[in-house]
Amino acid sequence: DAGVTQSPTHLIKTRGQQVTLRCSPKSGHDTVSWYQQALGQGPQFIFQYYEEEERQRGNFPDRFSGHQFPNYSSELNVNALLLGDSALYLCASSPPGARGYTFGSGTRLTVV
Amino acid sequence: GDSVTQMEGPVTLSEEAFLTINCTYTATGYPSLFWYVQYPGEGLQLLLKATKADDKGSNKGFEATYRKETTSFHLEKGSVQVSDSAVYFCAPLNSGNTPLVFGKGTRLSVIA
Repeated sequence: DAGVTQSPTHLIKTRGQQVTLRCSPKSGHDTVSWYQQALGQGPQFIFQYYEEEERQRGNFPDRFSGHQFPNYSSELNVNALLLGDSALYLCASSPPGARGYTFGSGTRLTVV
Repeated sequence: GDSVTQMEGPVTLSEEAFLTINCTYTATGYPSLFWYVQYPGEGLQLLLKATKADDKGSNKGFEATYRKETTSFHLEKGSVQVSDSAVYFCAPLNSGNTPLVFGKGTRLSVIA
């Protein structure tokens, strides 16, 4: 059984560009959350998607947006990239009604 | 909101030494408690969890006991191995809908 799958694994972008990261949740999971992890820091919550709607959002600007598809997969979009957006972006999924999340291996984004 | 405090790292131990990583949390309600581990260059993996007071979570020789009276969930292992070198994150979770809240994590280095 595949776990949480993220793509791409690594990405290099230039300041001002836009980027889209993708996540496929674990089979049977319907909720997807995104986290940003800067180097040497703990993951910071960006937002959570459930039933194709953004259910909760952390303290991130609206340059960060997302989407969830009917098959529960999700995308994270970041516009007008800044150097400070360089980080590991983690996707986590959870099953209906359960406490606990399964994380993917992340996408390493470098903004130059 | 919920928060977690972990002991500052890095923690450096010799192989077969005893490990304790302290974790205290602040949360409304009655959270579940988790320890996640992040190996170099990877995402987060669930190490163990506990869902109610006095529960002991255990996995791969690691243990942690949910202490509601002291709001703590300290991680212990009797004999660490080089392969345990990683960053460890403690996190409370209040319900299936809320995001995990992470601290900075504790980096463990085990030397042979």
